[in-house]
Amino acid sequence: KAGVTQTPRYLIKTRGQQVTLSCSPISGHRSVSWYQQTPGQGLQFLFEYFSETQRNKGNFPGRFSGRQFSNSRSEMNVSTLELGDSALYLCASSTGSSRGMYFGPGTRLTVL
Amino acid sequence: DAKTTQPPSMDCAEGRAANLPCNHSTISGNEYVYWYRQIHSQGPQYIIHGLKNNETNEMASLIITEDRKSSTLILPHATLRDTAVYYCIVRVSALQTGANNLFFGTGTRLTVIP
Repeated sequence: KAGVTQTPRYLIKTRGQQVTLSCSPISGHRSVSWYQQTPGQGLQFLFEYFSETQRNKGNFPGRFSGRQFSNSRSEMNVSTLELGDSALYLCASSTGSSRGMYFGPGTRLTVL
Repeated sequence: DAKTTQPPSMDCAEGRAANLPCNHSTISGNEYVYWYRQIHSQGPQYIIHGLKNNETNEMASLIITEDRKSSTLILPHATLRDTAVYYCIVRVSALQTGANNLFFGTGTRLTVIP
């Protein structure tokens, strides 16, 4: 099976802009989670979608949002970008059970 | 979910077994132990998980103590490519809670030395 894919891999934006990141999960996986990784805060959970519904949300401001489509592909959106949003954004897919989660390579976002 | 404690760093000689410990003294009966690793600038990689019994797969072995308060991840023959940060995570199955998120602590930075 193909792994989790994320696009784009690298992105440069300026403060105030918005950005949309895309994630395609492993075929058959209905759960997609998003994580933010920064040197200072480490890996932090953003939100999880299961069958097109947001099931969990981490402690991030409302500028961070996401959605999941009927084919399980997911997008996350960050509006009004701030310098502190510069990070590696990781997507993970799973079956939603006790099995492991499989991460994509991430999208490296730089906000100038 | 229960908290875990891991040493911040460890070294291992190439070709030797790497034994990475994890303490989870407050683990509940329905919580699983998961191990992931992250090689520099890549997404975390799932390694193995278990509930009560020891587990083995093509990557590693997971040894869980009888009281389930600690576990050890064993990489039987460490290679330079095993140099990474290893995370031990404890959580309940998403089927039980409807929550499928992972709390990543700071992990153990394993350095495999030639």
